[in-house]
Amino acid sequence: DAGVIQSPRHEVTEMGQEVTLRCKPISGHNSLFWYRQTMMRGLELLIYFNNNVPIDDSGMPEDRFSAKMPNASFSTLKIQPSEPRDSAVYFCASSRRGGDSAFFGQGTRLTVV
Amino acid sequence: GIQVEQSPPDLILQEGANSTLRCNFSDSVNNLQWFHQNPWGQLINLFYIPSGTKQNGRLSATTVATERYSLLYISSSQTTDSGVYFCAGAIYGGATNKLIFGTGTLLAVQP
Repeated sequence: DAGVIQSPRHEVTEMGQEVTLRCKPISGHNSLFWYRQTMMRGLELLIYFNNNVPIDDSGMPEDRFSAKMPNASFSTLKIQPSEPRDSAVYFCASSRRGGDSAFFGQGTRLTVV
Repeated sequence: GIQVEQSPPDLILQEGANSTLRCNFSDSVNNLQWFHQNPWGQLINLFYIPSGTKQNGRLSATTVATERYSLLYISSSQTTDSGVYFCAGAIYGGATNKLIFGTGTLLAVQP
C-alpha cells in the first residue's frame, strides 16, 4: 500500500486566497483525521471522520476552515480566506477503526504570505 | 481535556547509548500510541500500546494504564534515531479516535 497520500506537499499562497489540501487515506481504513502542527501549539487534531461522516470538528479553529469526505478514498481541508497565522504543516492520518494505529501522510507545508 | 506530558523535553545521546522517554497522562486513556517524527518531518507510527509491553528491534514500550504513564526505551541508539518522539492517547470512555498529542521529546544522537 502507498500509505496516506497528501497533496500538495508545499503550498505558498497570499493572504485572502482559498487553499485546498487533499488527502487519500489507506485503502480499507474507515477513520480519517486532519491535524495541524505548529511550533507554538504542537500537533492539534482539527477534525476526524468515521465512515466518511464528520464525528468531531471541535478542533477546527474557526469558520474559515472546512473539511469534507465525499467518499472513502478522498478528503479535503479548505481554508477560505487564508491568513498568515494559518501557516503550519497540515497532516492527514487514517486508521482501520477507532482505537487502532493511526498512520500519517507526509504533510502539506502551508505558507500564507 | 486530557493533558499529556512528556519528559525529558530534549535529550542528547552518544551513539550506542540507551535512553528512556516518559509520557504521563492526566486522565485514564486508551488508544495510546508512540510516534517518531524524523528530521524530514515524517511521522512514523512506532507502537500502538494501550497496555502491556511491546518490542520492535531496538525499541520497546511499556504502558501502565492504571498509573497513567507509558515508557519508550531506545537501546543502542543510532544517529537515525534522531528526531522528535511523540506519545498520544485518547481519553478513556471517550472517542477512541480523538488522539491528543504530547509536546514531544527532541532526541539528538551524536556519532
